[in-house]
Amino acid sequence: DQQVKQNSPSLSVQEGRISILNCDYTNSMFDYFLWYKKYPAEGPTFLISISSIKDKNEDGRFTVFLNKSAKHLSLHIVPSQPGDSAVYFCAARSYSGGGSEKLVFGKGTKLTVNP
Amino acid sequence: DTGVSQDPRHKITKRGQNVTFRCDPISEHNRLYWYRQTLGQGPEFLTYFQNEAQLEKSRLLSDRFSAERPKGSFSTLEIQRTEQGDSAMYLCASPRKGAMVTGELFFGEGSRLTVL
Repeated sequence: DQQVKQNSPSLSVQEGRISILNCDYTNSMFDYFLWYKKYPAEGPTFLISISSIKDKNEDGRFTVFLNKSAKHLSLHIVPSQPGDSAVYFCAARSYSGGGSEKLVFGKGTKLTVNP
Repeated sequence: DTGVSQDPRHKITKRGQNVTFRCDPISEHNRLYWYRQTLGQGPEFLTYFQNEAQLEKSRLLSDRFSAERPKGSFSTLEIQRTEQGDSAMYLCASPRKGAMVTGELFFGEGSRLTVL
């Protein structure tokens, strides 16, 4: 079963407008949520994270919102730039007291920002 | 540059051959992770090490796969008797110093395996 879901495989926006990428999760025990950006033939690059006890975290053009009751988070990019075109992965940290700790990823959303 | 190095970047092999990938993680961190990414999927957890101890293995890691981390430094991932379904990007990651609390992992550029 997929614990982290990104239901939109792709998103296209105009340069300068807002990009909103969505993510849903099922495991209420996740304690941190992260967004990664990936270009072809490269590894994922960390963008921004948010603790499960927060509802918003902002870093420059990137803001992540968390709605715990809905088990939903979103990444807002404002303003969008052509260089933001990439695949964006939502990830959640699974942590147990027994020492198991790993990130669980969604399938990704391909963002295209048109000039 | 995340400080995580992987080698080789691309490996093409014939079905049935063995392949080995190497990862050199961020030097000051004792945790190292292996993930696999196939087309249209996000990275999937395979295994992780704390120092030289392999603490968890995914059920994706069949008995044809073995990972080691001698002396808690670099790590190797070996796939024996490769199958076409093993074709994927194999990613190595480690946390940056101080990021244990927030869970951030820094990934290498990956080793792409193509099994013919």
